[in-house]
Amino acid sequence: EVQLVESGGGLVKPGGSLRLSCAASGFTFSSYSMNWVRQAPGKGLEWVSSISSSSSYIYYADSVKGRFTISRDNAKNSLYLQMNSLRAEDTAVYYCARVRLVEGYFDYWGQGTLVTVSS
Amino acid sequence: DIQMTQSPSTLSASVGDRVTITCRASQSISSWLAWYQQKPGKAPKLLIYKASSLESGVPSRFSGSGSGTEFTLTISSLQPDDFATYYCQQYNSLWTFGQGTKVEIK
Repeated sequence: EVQLVESGGGLVKPGGSLRLSCAASGFTFSSYSMNWVRQAPGKGLEWVSSISSSSSYIYYADSVKGRFTISRDNAKNSLYLQMNSLRAEDTAVYYCARVRLVEGYFDYWGQGTLVTVSS
Repeated sequence: DIQMTQSPSTLSASVGDRVTITCRASQSISSWLAWYQQKPGKAPKLLIYKASSLESGVPSRFSGSGSGTEFTLTISSLQPDDFATYYCQQYNSLWTFGQGTKVEIK
């Protein structure tokens, strides 16, 4: 069974940093591209960042470029999101999501982890 | 960047109704469109990919159509479990979601 479990969320002050993790199981993690998607309270879904299976291709939404860094450790079946210079508008539930092989859509999602940026 | 616009934002319907949600892309995305269902406090769930392909395990009352810039998600006979928010997503060029359509009980 495919499982994605996010962790690392919490309360952080504006300008602070946080590192999110996503632990994957039930599939060959090293074969799949992975993404982070966020959802501000009461709002819609916003794609944040993507990383290919071997980390060769990395993409960011303009809203986080230069502040967030996506990475992965295929030996540990883990995906990460390093978030720096956090702003109030980064407050959201952050989901990790798997991209179906050879496709572009997201077939499995984690349960999400809440990041709150507030003084 | 490709923008996705869904309509309506909210839809009030009754059990058994036929429901249609529209999603428009700011430029052609061929058929690179997915639909997701999200319930409060839960992660999104994939329903449709490549505009009209039904994900395994998803009830056949869900269907998708369209190509280019205009797409629709149809629920042929709304069931109690279908009251949720629905999002379209383009994956032709990076990824963009529509703003969502909440299907609520009339």
